[in-house]
Amino acid sequence: QKEVEQDPGPLSVPEGAIVSLNCTYSNSAFQYFMWYRQYSRKGPELLMYTYSSGNKEDGRFTAQVDKSSKYISLFIRDSQPSDSATYLCAMTSWGGSSASKIIFGSGTRLSIRP
Amino acid sequence: GAVVSQHPSRVICKSGTSVKIECRSLDFQATTMFWYRQFPKQSLMLMATSNEGSKATYEQGVEKDKFLINHASLTLSTLTVTSAHPEDSSFYICSATDRGGQPQHFGDGTRLSIL
Repeated sequence: QKEVEQDPGPLSVPEGAIVSLNCTYSNSAFQYFMWYRQYSRKGPELLMYTYSSGNKEDGRFTAQVDKSSKYISLFIRDSQPSDSATYLCAMTSWGGSSASKIIFGSGTRLSIRP
Repeated sequence: GAVVSQHPSRVICKSGTSVKIECRSLDFQATTMFWYRQFPKQSLMLMATSNEGSKATYEQGVEKDKFLINHASLTLSTLTVTSAHPEDSSFYICSATDRGGQPQHFGDGTRLSIL
């Protein structure tokens, strides 16, 4: 079993729709949860990161973490064609003052149809 | 926000050539830098972790003599692919983090093609 599971998609939705992207994980030591967006031939861009269970909102994006179920989600409201990209969930255990290795999901390819 | 610059963005060279890729943190001190490799339509695979002033820690299966990493300052790390062969062709991405540890900020990657 992979440490982090993510549906690879592709996921295609019409412009304006609400998008839900999800990941599950098996390692209860994970403490930091992140979502990255990656456009073709570019490096990942950090969208959201959170340390605790619950919801965190930033504009059209909401990250949700449920540690008891080992399940995280990213919601995109009012989706735009410019949101078309691959979305990677990522997580890591807390390493104190030193950086800890990130484990990435396989990424979900999202396409927003105009 | 935090900016990480990676150079060059694209390299095409002949088999047997050594290629150096630079990763710079532009507006923060990067105590730790990570080097990843990404094949088409796949996720990022960590190659090595580099702490400033220390030897890099390589992931299992990554040849340290093949992929030389130097992290001599708090703003610069380099990855040198020595005697590159066609199977080394890939997308190489670096990331950096400051003393707080998280999150990692990524460069835009280097697409390496070995002919």
